[in-house]
This record gives sequence, structure tokens and C-alpha cells, in this order.
Amino acid sequence: ELKVEQNPLFLSMQEGKNYTIYCNYSTTSDRLYWYRQDPGKSLESLFVLLSNGAVKQEGRLMASLDTKARLSTLHITAAVHDLSATYFCAVPPRGNYQLIWGAGTKLIIKP
Amino acid sequence: NAGVTQTPKFRVLKTGQSMTLLCAQDMNHEYMYWYRQDPGMGLRLIHYSVGEGTTAKGEVPDGYNVSRLKKQNFLLGLESAAPSQTSVYFCASSQGQIPSNEQFFGPGTRLTVL
Repeated sequence: ELKVEQNPLFLSMQEGKNYTIYCNYSTTSDRLYWYRQDPGKSLESLFVLLSNGAVKQEGRLMASLDTKARLSTLHITAAVHDLSATYFCAVPPRGNYQLIWGAGTKLIIKP
Repeated sequence: NAGVTQTPKFRVLKTGQSMTLLCAQDMNHEYMYWYRQDPGMGLRLIHYSVGEGTTAKGEVPDGYNVSRLKKQNFLLGLESAAPSQTSVYFCASSQGQIPSNEQFFGPGTRLTVL
């Protein structure tokens, strides 16, 4: 059974700091997705990582995937308040189109 | 394009009542999904469909039924609502093609069962 674990589950940080959110998964998969959710809102796709070693960047966010280690990271550079949200990673078992979701990391960035 | 839409946005039911949630997408996606989101638990898949006329069970299907009579619509039914079904329900759709199969989400339905 595929399990997806995120850590930390809650992160409070100051503007201007760097930090990394981790997403571990338990069985083989070759893709990983990162989503953002603002309070009371829907989920917005951030990154789709399709292969081992994939790295994608959008503004202050950078995501990477290591399929051998079964690990993805979401790195935040020089955080700003607008990045406050809950971030989810999701993984499909190999060859499957369903997604197994992490519990989410609630990120609060203080001025 | 409206993307993925859901109706209603909010609903309050009494235990034992029934209701149907409607999801519609205008992206010509093959695959559609119903999730529920509970605090601290991420999203859990209830049912999904890989094409018109097909449905399948997800991780937490008990107490729910679904139908996909038209490609653009995916209905989620609760026959006899229970307080444990209080949750936020999200519909999503995707093209269904590997490798990406990125899912796009609707705005959600907040359901309270008293």
C-alpha cells in the first residue's frame, strides 16, 4: 500500500528565510505532484514532476524529485507572506492514475 | 472556459436525508474523481471514472454512489447521510494520459450533516 508522508505538517517562518518541505513515499512511483491550497479554497497545481532528477522552479518555489530515494522536496527561497498556504504532495502508484495524498504542510509566513 | 464547477457550494443535511452533488467540466477530460477532505488528513478518493458510463471505487467509497452518464458530468450521491460524512467534497478531472495526467480541481462543496 502506497503511503505518502509530508514533514513538517506545520511550519511558521519569517519573511526572507529559506526552508524546505519534504515528501516521502513508500512504494515505487515515477511521478509526483505538488499542489497549493489557500484557506477555504480549492487546490491549485504547482508542479508536475515526471522523472527521476526532475527539477522545476516557479518564482520562489523549487521542487525536485528523487525516485530512488522516494523523496521530493519543495524549497522556498526568501519567503514572502503571499506564500502562506497549505502545500500538498500527491503520488500515483506506478502505472496508476489515482493519487495518494500527503496530509499537507501548513505554511505560515510572518512579516 | 469555466474549468471544473461544482454545485451546490454549501449544504446542510439532517441524518438520513439524501442528496446529489454535481460536478461538471468543460475541458473534455476523460477521467473524473470525487474526493473528500477532512482536517489533517489530506484528500481521500471516494470514487472515480475513466470514461463516460464507467465508475470505480476509490479509497473510501462506503455510503456514496456515483454516476457518469455524460462525459462532462460526474454525480456523487449520498443515499442516507450520516454525521461522519460531514466534510468538504472536491471534484477533479484529468486527461487520463500518462505521463502527466495532472488533475484540475473544482471549488468544493462544504457539507454538514446534523
